[in-house]
Amino acid sequence: NAGVTQTPKFQVLKTGQSMTLQCAQDMNHNSMYWYRQDPGMGLRLIYYSASEGTTDKGEVPNGYNVSRLNKREFSLRLESAAPSQTSVYFCATTPHNREQYFGPGTRLTVT
Amino acid sequence: SQQGEEDPQALSIQEGENATMNCSYKTSINNLQWYRQNSGRGLVHLILIRSNEREKHSGRLRVTLDTSKKSSSLLITASRAADTASYFCATAPGKKLVFGQGTRLTINP
Repeated sequence: NAGVTQTPKFQVLKTGQSMTLQCAQDMNHNSMYWYRQDPGMGLRLIYYSASEGTTDKGEVPNGYNVSRLNKREFSLRLESAAPSQTSVYFCATTPHNREQYFGPGTRLTVT
Repeated sequence: SQQGEEDPQALSIQEGENATMNCSYKTSINNLQWYRQNSGRGLVHLILIRSNEREKHSGRLRVTLDTSKKSSSLLITASRAADTASYFCATAPGKKLVFGQGTRLTINP
């Protein structure tokens, strides 16, 4: 089992460009999350999905959109990237609001 | 806003010593979790303690929870070089986890 996978691993964007970060899990978990981690900081929740077909805003949703395509996949879209969105992005899943399982992360740089 | 705050922000000890890090939080919780993050990697879950539990063990890890003081501690005994990492507490006031800023632990050989 791959667990939680994220693509791409690295990405460089110019200000104003758009992109989608992909996350997939084969753990059959209901809940999925997107976080960002800035240098020396903890994780901040961007969006989460408690189940297929539902999404909710987290602490820092501005500038992002999400899609829960099916139970396995949860994507994060940046419509118009800004330098403030330079960060490492992590996807995570949990079976029933317990421990979370994290992907390896996507390092995004916006110039 | 950060719910949990770890203390100290950085800790450096000799291999074989014990490491203790603390977490304080602000609101009532369902559970509190500790995670480890090796440099450049995703977080790995270590241990979960429920709000009605006071202490929990897992291998060389011991976690305590004091809900009256809204604080928790993580003790790593007999530290090893492989324990070098950042450690985060995360609280679950509801369905979401709220992470602290972490303690950077360095184990010196």
